[in-house]
Amino acid sequence: DAMVIQNPRYQVTQFGKPVTLSCSQTLNHNVMYWYQQKSSQAPKLLFHYYDKDFNNEADTPDNFQSRRPNTSFCFLDIRSPGLGDAAMYLCATSPIGSRGPSDRQFFGPGTRLTVL
Amino acid sequence: DAKTTQPPSMDCAEGRAANLPCNHSTISGNEYVYWYRQIHSQGPQYIIHGLKNNETNEMASLIITEDRKSSTLILPHATLRDTAVYYCIVTYTGANSKLTFGKGITLSVRP
Repeated sequence: DAMVIQNPRYQVTQFGKPVTLSCSQTLNHNVMYWYQQKSSQAPKLLFHYYDKDFNNEADTPDNFQSRRPNTSFCFLDIRSPGLGDAAMYLCATSPIGSRGPSDRQFFGPGTRLTVL
Repeated sequence: DAKTTQPPSMDCAEGRAANLPCNHSTISGNEYVYWYRQIHSQGPQYIIHGLKNNETNEMASLIITEDRKSSTLILPHATLRDTAVYYCIVTYTGANSKLTFGKGITLSVRP
């Protein structure tokens, strides 16, 4: 089945040690998003790619960066994780523009990041 | 994007209809109403969306008032698996489409 895949599901890193989370999709959608969801909070958009165009949210810390080498893959890089970056990181995709007004987003299962 | 207001929680009995309200009094004419839900420890899941007409799909019905300032998501026969946080989100479609999640409403379906 076409889907959004996130690996790993659980990631443990040390304070200050760079970490990369990955997302892949078989839906061939042109837009990919990264959200951060802290415990008991709602998901918060960090940034998104519209094709190759990167769109950063104004309040996303510089510590968070992203790469999208091709349509299928998108990476979230946390350069120097702090304790406050422990969260669930959700990847989503959307077929904006290619299927008319139904711009629904398809979410992956998330990667839960623990910072020690 | 327009803000939405939802009660923090509600419950309903299994097999009964669950009616989840949402206020979006500042909605613009070309903003859509979307509903997503998030079951514990899973990614959010799209349920339904609409502009001004009522909508129905295999999961739910969406009733939007004529002035578009509020809407109701209806799960016609709630099951225990429908226990989740339900998010009502108002947003544009197209290149400016973004989901800004509020606190949502926690629906608890009791046996």
